[in-house]
Amino acid sequence: DIQMTQSPSSVSASVGDRVTITCRASQGISSWLAWYQQKPGKAPKVLIYGASSLQSGVPSRFSGSGSGTDFTLTISSLQPEDFATYYCQQANSFPPAFGGGTKVEIK
Amino acid sequence: QVQLQESGPGLVKPSQTLSLTCTVFGGSIGSGDYWWSWVRQHPGKGLEWIGYIYYSGSTYYNPSLQSRVTISVDTSKNHFSLNLNSVTAADTAIYYCARNRGVLVVAAAPVGGYFDYWGQGALVTVSS
Repeated sequence: DIQMTQSPSSVSASVGDRVTITCRASQGISSWLAWYQQKPGKAPKVLIYGASSLQSGVPSRFSGSGSGTDFTLTISSLQPEDFATYYCQQANSFPPAFGGGTKVEIK
Repeated sequence: QVQLQESGPGLVKPSQTLSLTCTVFGGSIGSGDYWWSWVRQHPGKGLEWIGYIYYSGSTYYNPSLQSRVTISVDTSKNHFSLNLNSVTAADTAIYYCARNRGVLVVAAAPVGGYFDYWGQGALVTVSS
């Protein structure tokens, strides 16, 4: 099975900051990667699919990049509603698997 | 707007079977355009994919749970269901149903796909 490792596990940032989260796959997954945002008590919400395609309705301050084993999610200017936990998910091979999550906290 | 809604008991005794149903609103499971998944989240932890089903009844399960999991579909009721047997306290979690977009079956193995709609989640506690 492919293992997904996210870093950091948590990050403290201020409104307006640029935030970058990294996801590494244990083997190459091409561009079969999605990013999700989860707020406390809520279901995850997809932000990015295909490593860099923005899901409809998601603000353009979110962007994704990478291919192969290394991927990043960037929030260009952190907004108050962006404080949440973010997960990556690989879809290249069975079974689909999620990273351990990155919590974005208020500094 | 597609909505998914989980339903079922919130408390299950050890060794018994956990059963949940996910009803889909605003879209038809029978359209064949998507796969339909169960995902769980242990309290304060990350996400674990359990398995998915196609409208035809084809299923794939996470190997870590395969021996205890059954997912079924009823297109006439537009819902799909999860059964997890022989539960222990380690199965206490929030169980989500979700729609998978973009799954392809290549050489009898599913690839691709991301979860674009989710239910609100159902907390299931395993306790006597």
